[in-house]
Amino acid sequence: EVQLMESGGGLVHPGGSLRLSCAASGFSFSTYNMNWVRQSPGKGLEWLSHISYTGDYTYYADSVKGRFTISRDNAKNSLYLQMNSLSAEDTAIYYCARRHGNYGPVGGIDIWGQGTMVTVSS
Amino acid sequence: DIVMTQSPLSLPVTPGEPASISCRSSQSLLHTNGHNYLNWYLQKPGQSPQLLIYLGSNRASGVPDRFSGSGSGTDFTLEISRVEADDFGIYYCMQVLFVPPTFGPGTKLDIK
Repeated sequence: EVQLMESGGGLVHPGGSLRLSCAASGFSFSTYNMNWVRQSPGKGLEWLSHISYTGDYTYYADSVKGRFTISRDNAKNSLYLQMNSLSAEDTAIYYCARRHGNYGPVGGIDIWGQGTMVTVSS
Repeated sequence: DIVMTQSPLSLPVTPGEPASISCRSSQSLLHTNGHNYLNWYLQKPGQSPQLLIYLGSNRASGVPDRFSGSGSGTDFTLEISRVEADDFGIYYCMQVLFVPPTFGPGTKLDIK
């Protein structure tokens, strides 16, 4: 079964950092580009970042550029999101998501993890 | 960024009846290859979104044929021919032609 499992969410103070992980299984992780997407009540679904299957290129939303870093370890079938300088606006469910197809600069999304909750509060 | 809008935002439907959701983009999503770079997703309560339709009108694997996508350029429609109990949730459109990809605000399909 194709599966993505996020971990690493939790409560963090404003200005703090957090590293999210996503464990992939059931497919050839090293051949797929991957994304991070978040969902908050106030802003709905928001795409955050994309990484190529080799890790050679990345894209970021302006809202997280310079604060978040996407990376991957194909040997461990894992995707990561390092989040720094967090604020209350970053409070959301964070999803790991697999690229669908070869259309568009970052493609669509066909597989989503179950999400991990990040709460930024003092 | 490309702004996606949806209407209606809430759609009460009786099971067995049809349903139609509209999505509009602030710029054309028609690629020079003739495909519209617009996807549809359904998020059931307590679950992650699932892909229904890609490139405007292609059903994803395992999606029942009661779901259909149409439209071109800036105006798109998702139609459900006969709504079933498993179809209730929030429907999102997503443009994938431009970076950043952007989502519509969602249309909540619930039981009338």
